[in-house]
Amino acid sequence: SYELTQPPSVSVSPGQTASITCFGDKLGDKYTFWYQQRPDQSPVLVIYQNDKRPSMIPERFSGSNSGNTATLTISGTQAMDEADYYCQAFWDSSVVFGGGTKLTVL
Amino acid sequence: QVQLQESGPELVKPSETLSLTCSVSGASTSVYYWSWIRQSSGKGLEWLGFTDYSANSIYNPSFKSRVTMSVDLSKNQVSLKLTSVNAADTAVYYCARGWYQMLRGNYYHYMDVWGKGTTVTVS
Repeated sequence: SYELTQPPSVSVSPGQTASITCFGDKLGDKYTFWYQQRPDQSPVLVIYQNDKRPSMIPERFSGSNSGNTATLTISGTQAMDEADYYCQAFWDSSVVFGGGTKLTVL
Repeated sequence: QVQLQESGPELVKPSETLSLTCSVSGASTSVYYWSWIRQSSGKGLEWLGFTDYSANSIYNPSFKSRVTMSVDLSKNQVSLKLTSVNAADTAVYYCARGWYQMLRGNYYHYMDVWGKGTTVTVS
């Protein structure tokens, strides 16, 4: 089965740039999606098709995908961005989620 | 504004069937694909599968023998049935609106609107 690997945690200072990675075999050949889940809330789609932002998502969220790694980048990180982030791909007719990364804004 | 609301029993006995309903407002269940995802306490997301109004369904192989999803167009609802449950099926269950498309020769599926989730305990 296909696996997506994320770092369990990432820390960033307010106003700085946070990068969250997602590793999978030949992931760059697929589309990657990213979800934000704040504490006690349901997930929200923040990036689709590698680098597209839904209309309600702030411009500071961006995504890329190449080789074996997809990256979610949050520029000018704010306290409200503190959340769990999950990458997702579709492989062999199944949705696969990464294990999630807890972003802490210190 | 699209809203999804999951509902169903909060407590299910082991070996019985978990049945949940997702009521959709602001969108028609005759369009899109409808997914179910669950999350055990403190854990990550686990996809159960998706379906559309014409019963085109793809299920997670891990659940394929136990799961059934369907769409009721008359009620604009999506349903989930999971049979033979045990304690490991205790989780928050989310329904979500999804897209299933082919691009660059590959199919992909993702979820753009999620419900608030409903907690189901198997005990």
